[in-house]
Amino acid sequence: LAKTTQPISMDSYEGQEVNITCSHNNIATNDYITWYQQFPSQGPRFIIQGYKTKVTNEVASLFIPADRKSSTLSLPRVSLSDTAVYYCLVVNSGSARQLTFGSGTQLTVLP
Amino acid sequence: NAGVTQTPKFQVLKTGQSMTLQCAQDMNHNSMYWYRQDPGMGLRLIYYSASEGTTDKGEVPNGYNVSRLNKREFSLRLESAAPSQTSVYFCASSAPGDRSEKLFFGSGTQLSVL
Repeated sequence: LAKTTQPISMDSYEGQEVNITCSHNNIATNDYITWYQQFPSQGPRFIIQGYKTKVTNEVASLFIPADRKSSTLSLPRVSLSDTAVYYCLVVNSGSARQLTFGSGTQLTVLP
Repeated sequence: NAGVTQTPKFQVLKTGQSMTLQCAQDMNHNSMYWYRQDPGMGLRLIYYSASEGTTDKGEVPNGYNVSRLNKREFSLRLESAAPSQTSVYFCASSAPGDRSEKLFFGSGTQLSVL
């Protein structure tokens, strides 16, 4: 499975757009890029997944360049409630048993 | 829709005691997983079950046993608890036939072994 690298922590202020970048140089053809969000004392929650270009849902946008060696999770106009750990993973069918959740990126939104 | 339900939410054990963590999902998922998360760290896979009747070891299986009771339920047992097993335990499931494995997690069990 492709290894991912993401910043350990980020700070932002309420109302700002936050971009968290993840690198995955060894991504394979069948791999999807997936982001999870984890609040304290809760299990991770799937927030967005993409294969290439741009994906947007009600929570976030995911930007993936043509070479797919990196991806950027974009959170528009963050609020205090977006303070959480964000995990970037590269997955494909049947790979969940091999998934490694690294330490993720601790996003802290300040008032 | 309950999703993935774990019980208990909190548990304190003495070294050497045994207990079983329960997990059930109502999403008709084939695959189920047990993870542990230590403070400030990511999740590590203990055991997984690709389908009813099958189980396999993950990254950190020592000291644990699992049972896939039926399609809905996947339990994790600590036969003789040790302080090193103090952790938060998460159960998860994933959808069948999904090309890209989306995991759905329970809310976790905080376990302390004294």
